[in-house]
Amino acid sequence: KQEVTQIPAALSVPEGENLVLNCSFTDSAIYNLQWFRQDPGKGLTSLLLIQSSQREQTSGRLNASLDKSSGRSTLYIAASQPGDSATYLCAVPTAGSQGNLIFGKGTKLSVKP
Amino acid sequence: KAGVTQTPRYLIKTRGQQVTLSCSPISGHRSVSWYQQTPGQGLQFLFEYFSETQRNKGNFPGRFSGRQFSNSRSEMNVSTLELGDSALYLCASSLGGAKNIQYFGAGTRLSVL
Repeated sequence: KQEVTQIPAALSVPEGENLVLNCSFTDSAIYNLQWFRQDPGKGLTSLLLIQSSQREQTSGRLNASLDKSSGRSTLYIAASQPGDSATYLCAVPTAGSQGNLIFGKGTKLSVKP
Repeated sequence: KAGVTQTPRYLIKTRGQQVTLSCSPISGHRSVSWYQQTPGQGLQFLFEYFSETQRNKGNFPGRFSGRQFSNSRSEMNVSTLELGDSALYLCASSLGGAKNIQYFGAGTRLSVL
């Protein structure tokens, strides 16, 4: 059974710092991995999706990497800003069902001005 | 292009009542998934619909049901509400193909008193 873990559960950094969020999964036979952002009381915003054949994806200050063999993904945020404060979640689809995502519990990020 | 729309945004019900939540996917998307989010359990998959057919169902009691219409809009119903059903209910839509980016709505916050 696939399990997704995110460490740390919470992170507080000063503005301008580069940071890395971690996501690990137990079953390496994934089709893709998606990173989301959630603001308090709101829905999820898709940040990046990495297909299983890819090693990384970039969007602006965000870079996500994927290492299937070790069951890990990282989300790198460069030059963090207070507006980056949110909960970041990673998710992988269950085998044979891309509409059924298994989520980690998320990392709550706080960027201090 | 309009995003995923969920209505209503907030609901207050009492134990024993039933509730219906609605989700309108992004135009052209045929896959709709539903998730329940609680502080303790995080995001949990409820069910997935594709072209009016339920493709997958999560580990929830039969009180939770759903359906999808020919225009891809989806509804979920919870009967005989319990206090533990209080949660944020999120709907996600996608094209359903290989590059399966899931786009989420803002959610419906259900409070059961």
